[in-house]
Amino acid sequence: DAGVIQSPRHEVTEMGQEVTLRCKPISGHNSLFWYRQTMMRGLELLIYFNNNVPIDDSGMPEDRFSAKMPNASFSTLKIQPSEPRDSAVYFCASRPGLAGGYQETQYFGPGTRLLVL
Amino acid sequence: AQSVAQPEDQVNVAEGNPLTVKCTYSVSGNPYLFWYVQYPNRGLQFLLKYITGDNLVKGSYGFEAEFNKSQTSFHLKKPSALVSDSALYFCAVSEYGNNRLAFGKGNQVVVIP
Repeated sequence: DAGVIQSPRHEVTEMGQEVTLRCKPISGHNSLFWYRQTMMRGLELLIYFNNNVPIDDSGMPEDRFSAKMPNASFSTLKIQPSEPRDSAVYFCASRPGLAGGYQETQYFGPGTRLLVL
Repeated sequence: AQSVAQPEDQVNVAEGNPLTVKCTYSVSGNPYLFWYVQYPNRGLQFLLKYITGDNLVKGSYGFEAEFNKSQTSFHLKKPSALVSDSALYFCAVSEYGNNRLAFGKGNQVVVIP
């Protein structure tokens, strides 16, 4: 298995532009997580999905952020409009199963390094 | 809500010496504990986890961790550190019925040749 795939790996954009980050989870995994990593705040959970349904989006910083999972093999995280303070590394992770999911390992993608100028 | 504390920002160790990275946790019920490692410009890689059973858990790359319920700790250890072990290490915890994984702030490990 190729693992969790994220694209793009790097993104540089100007303030006000729309940014779309993409994630392909490991095949057969039922849960998908979006995280943001910064020096100041560490690793933060933004949102997670079970069976393509958003379960907890309490970590989404504001309305400029939105996430979708139209099917089991694809998810997007969109920022519109982007701001310099959104600069961070964004990780996607997936996990097998639903029942007892709290015992299961999350597998992380390589991340997207976003720089908003 | 569950939480994790990694008290040290950076751990320096000489190559060949034992390596310990500390982690304490807080949960309402039984904890499920994880260690991840992050190399520069890479995603987090799973090292090991404790779910139940033997308190000593063995993982990848020669790492192990010991679950101590009375001290609410799950310290990561390696008997002999390598320069290639230099990385950022994260401890994380979940608990029954909660699908969120709470991460610590991470510990930078520097292994000195």
